[in-house]
Order: sequence, then C-alpha cells, then structure tokens
Amino acid sequence: GAVVSQHPSWVICKSGTSVKIECRSLDFQATTMFWYRQFPKQSLMLMATSNEGSKATYEQGVEKDKFLINHASLTLSTLTVTSAHPEDSSFYICSARDSGARAYEQYFGPGTRLTVT
Amino acid sequence: GESVGLHLPTLSVQEGDNSIINCAYSNSASDYFIWYKQESGKGPQFIIDIRSNMDKRQGQRVTVLLNKTVKHLSLQIAATQPGDSAVYFCAEIADRGSTLGRLYFGRGTQLTVWP
Repeated sequence: GAVVSQHPSWVICKSGTSVKIECRSLDFQATTMFWYRQFPKQSLMLMATSNEGSKATYEQGVEKDKFLINHASLTLSTLTVTSAHPEDSSFYICSARDSGARAYEQYFGPGTRLTVT
Repeated sequence: GESVGLHLPTLSVQEGDNSIINCAYSNSASDYFIWYKQESGKGPQFIIDIRSNMDKRQGQRVTVLLNKTVKHLSLQIAATQPGDSAVYFCAEIADRGSTLGRLYFGRGTQLTVWP
C-alpha cells in the first residue's frame, strides 16, 4: 500500500515552454501533498505544500507564478513549471500524506527528471 | 537542517562492516526525525523514525540515536551490504504549529559499500 506515482518520469523541453508534472496517490487519499526539488548531489528542498481544494503554500524564495501547483482532488496534485529555463532543470519529487496519517508519515513518488534545453 | 547548496559527504565501508551516518539538525522544536535512503534516480525511501522524546530506536539492522543536547542524529547500519549503497538523508518534521507536516532535509551522505 501507500504508493505514489509521478508522471512523466523524465521530460526534456525547450526554454520558454511550460511543463506539467503529475503526482498521484494510487491507493490512499492524500489531503496534503508536498513538492520538492533536488539538484545533483544535493539535498531535497521543499518547494511548496499543497492542500486539496485550497491554494498551495510556497516556501520562501520559491516563485508561485513560476511553479503553479494545483491539488484538485484527493489523489492528484500537479506542478507546472512555466516559461522553463535551463536553471529549472532538476529532479522534482512529490510526497503525499494519507488523510488519516500522522503529520510525519509521507510517501514519496519516484521523481521526475526535468531537462530544459 | 538547511543544506541546499552543499555537496554530499561520502562514506565508504567494506561489506559486512557497520556504518555510522551522522546528521546535525537545526530546529529544536522538531517532533520527529526520520532517516531516508535514496537510490540514484529514485525518490526517498523511509528507513526509520524517532520521536523527539526518545534517545534510541532500533529497526531491522538499523539503529537511530538522537542527542538533543547537541542536536545530533545518527544512523547505524549493521553488517552493511552492497545493496545499502545509496544516499542517506535525515529529515526533521514538526507535527504541530505553522510548519505542520513539512519535512526539512539534512545534507545527506553518500554511502558506498565495497564487496
């Protein structure tokens, strides 16, 4: 149980275009999902917290107009990187928390590798 | 603890030896500390957690020690195997307050196990 999927697993896009990444909880309902970014050989950095049916909460320094997050259902959150640039190339990882779980119980997706050319 | 921008330290051990991975955290108000294993190109995988009011917790082949006095966390892996090779991250989380449920990851350590 507690499986989180991400789609696509990797994507290459041209500079200036937008890319959407999906995060799904497959066998549980997730009222809260989190988005992280990870550069090579570095740690995971929390970008935003997404609650179903409400606006996402962004961490300091993360541009909300550039990284659009939508959490329209209890099993799906999407991250759209708008007007992507090469510096946005990174590994994007989501996690989801079961509605009935403790705050610290999060399940991670496999990640999405974004390369902007 | 805040670790963005810092490169990963490394630890190399022989198969069968014990490994000790250390982590310093920054927020004394964190309620839980969690160790994750991340293999190349994959998302983090939960290993073990410890509540802030505990000093030690054991799992299968792993032990986590928490020293709140010096804000230090360690992960001990017994009889390390080649399959343990990965990056290990500690993370801290609060289960109440304004940062409820937000995981903040530490620096990470690249563990390499030699046969």
